Amino acid sequence: KAGVTQTPRYLIKTRGQQVTLSCSPISGHRSVSWYQQTPGQGLQFLFEYFSETQRNKGNFPGRFSGRQFSNSRSEMNVSTLELGDSALYLCASSSSGGGTDTQYFGPGTRLTVL
Amino acid sequence: AQKVTQAQTEISVVEKEDVTLDCVYETRDTTYYLFWYKQPPSGELVFLIRRNSFDEQNEISGRYSWNFQKSTSSFNFTITASQVVDSAVYFCALSEAPPRGSTLGRLYFGRGTQLTVWP
Repeated sequence: KAGVTQTPRYLIKTRGQQVTLSCSPISGHRSVSWYQQTPGQGLQFLFEYFSETQRNKGNFPGRFSGRQFSNSRSEMNVSTLELGDSALYLCASSSSGGGTDTQYFGPGTRLTVL
Repeated sequence: AQKVTQAQTEISVVEKEDVTLDCVYETRDTTYYLFWYKQPPSGELVFLIRRNSFDEQNEISGRYSWNFQKSTSSFNFTITASQVVDSAVYFCALSEAPPRGSTLGRLYFGRGTQLTVWP
């Protein structure tokens, strides 16, 4: 089975712009979670989607949003980018969501905000 | 509150040495899951192991072994005869079983331990 894929792998944006990141889960997986990784805060949970519904959300401002499509692919969007949004954004998929399944991660999208 | 502590920020060893990475967790749940992930310089988090709170058996997989002790809330990871390819950041993580009928779930990560293995 192919692993989790994320596009693009690298992005450079300027403050105030918006960005959309994409994640394709492992075939058959219905849950997708997003995490932000920064040197200062470590790995932080953004949100989880299951069957096109957001099931759980971390402590991030409303500028961070996401969605999931019927084929389980997910996108996350960050509007009005700030310098502090520079990070590695990791997507993870699991078969049925919730805390019981193993989450498998993609290679990440490295976002740089100038 | 849920919390994972990896007190060792960086560890350096020479090839063939054994090394243990410590992980201490906090949770109020009786049912929970513990994980270890490896993050090489490429950035992808690679799954290594998952344990549930009811299974305290230690596990060995090749040069890797894990020691789960509920009494001390620890889930330590040992690499035997380390190799240069083991150099990476290692993360310990915790998830809790969601309420019945819910699919809430998230991973709580420690800050990671940077392991460097020198030839």
